[in-house]
Amino acid sequence: DAGVIQSPRHEVTEMGQEVTLRCKPISGHNSLFWYRQTMMRGLELLIYFNNNVPIDDSGMPEDRFSAKMPNASFSTLKIQPSEPRDSAVYFCASSFLVVGTGELFFGEGSRLTVL
Amino acid sequence: AQKVTQAQTEISVVEKEDVTLDCVYETRDTTYYLFWYKQPPSGELVFLIRRNSFDEQNEISGRYSWNFQKSTSSFNFTITASQVVDSAVYFCALSEGGTGNQFYFGTGTSLTVIP
Repeated sequence: DAGVIQSPRHEVTEMGQEVTLRCKPISGHNSLFWYRQTMMRGLELLIYFNNNVPIDDSGMPEDRFSAKMPNASFSTLKIQPSEPRDSAVYFCASSFLVVGTGELFFGEGSRLTVL
Repeated sequence: AQKVTQAQTEISVVEKEDVTLDCVYETRDTTYYLFWYKQPPSGELVFLIRRNSFDEQNEISGRYSWNFQKSTSSFNFTITASQVVDSAVYFCALSEGGTGNQFYFGTGTSLTVIP
């Protein structure tokens, strides 16, 4: 079975450019999460969706960040305009929530470097 | 306040030694879930175990074992006869039943197993 698929794996861009990260969750999962990992802040939850609806976006740093989930099999995280402090590894994770909490299954991450 | 505390930032052990990674959590919910994840040098986050607050039985899986103690709000992870492949960062996480899919990750413990 395919796991969570993220693209691109690596992205190097210049400050001010738009960055779009993509995620395909595990088929059948109904929750999707975007995390950011840095040495300074560790793992931070940016936003999560349940049944394609954003439930909690309080972790999104600022208006430069936006996330969408147009259907159950695809989500994007967009940064516009990007800044050097956005450099991090961005993880997408999915889970199946019925009752209680399901474990998260993570993608391999997208390493973003903003010059 | 941190909901999940992993006080050990870095640990080094010699191969074949046993090692315990500590995790202390804080919650007022009676229903909650605890998790351990492994992040090897390759960067992906690998799910290891999930426990709910009503199940205090310790669990063993091969060389891995987990000790859940509600009285001390701890969910410690022991690796027996450590191997070089165990070298990774290990994260403990908490999800509270009332907040659904909100996960709180600890800051991680970096384990190095020296051959």
